[in-house]
Amino acid sequence: GQQVMQIPQYQHVQEGEDFTTYCNSSTTLSNIQWYKQRPGGHPVFLIQLVKSGEVKKQKRLTFQFGEAKKNSSLHITATQTTDVGTYFCAGRGTNAGKSTFGDGTTLTVKP
Amino acid sequence: SQTIHQWPATLVQPVGSPLSLECTVEGTSNPNLYWYRQAAGRGLQLLFYSVGIGQISSEVPQNLSASRPQDRQFILSSKKLLLSDSGFYLCAWSVTGWWTEAFFGQGTRLTVV
Repeated sequence: GQQVMQIPQYQHVQEGEDFTTYCNSSTTLSNIQWYKQRPGGHPVFLIQLVKSGEVKKQKRLTFQFGEAKKNSSLHITATQTTDVGTYFCAGRGTNAGKSTFGDGTTLTVKP
Repeated sequence: SQTIHQWPATLVQPVGSPLSLECTVEGTSNPNLYWYRQAAGRGLQLLFYSVGIGQISSEVPQNLSASRPQDRQFILSSKKLLLSDSGFYLCAWSVTGWWTEAFFGQGTRLTVV
């Protein structure tokens, strides 16, 4: 079945440093979604990417969808303590159509 | 606006006891509904999803079942809990249409003792 891998599992940064998490699928995706889960909270939808090579920005967050639609990345510029949490990608397969979540990347930011 | 309610927030249950978690959605009609489980430090595992009343699809064989008695109500149940059922259970909904962005409830942290 479809597998979605996320790396790294954990990332510790100093406030102001950049952060990137990568999402890789074993199969071609029709779309990919990104979610953020604060400690003790529930996942909150951030964005959805659909087109090959698509790049979207939300303030300091930049999301990319690979040309082959099998990988994606989330980049945060100049991290802040409010960025702390776990970032999940969820890839939707082209055939079965269901979304599969990666295991997430947990970001901690040292002030 | 749409809201999703999930309760209880925390639950401690003995092994062998029954379980019933309820989730309701307001402000939308005919949503897709989902139950996920999240183990500590892990991603979200899809347990069940529903595209309409009485229509339930199960993703993994397990000790749990789901029901959708009303359009905006989704219930997760078990007749006899196992220790391995402990986890963080999340209900979510999305608009009609396949696997659009999901909106999650606050979650239920279940500990089976």
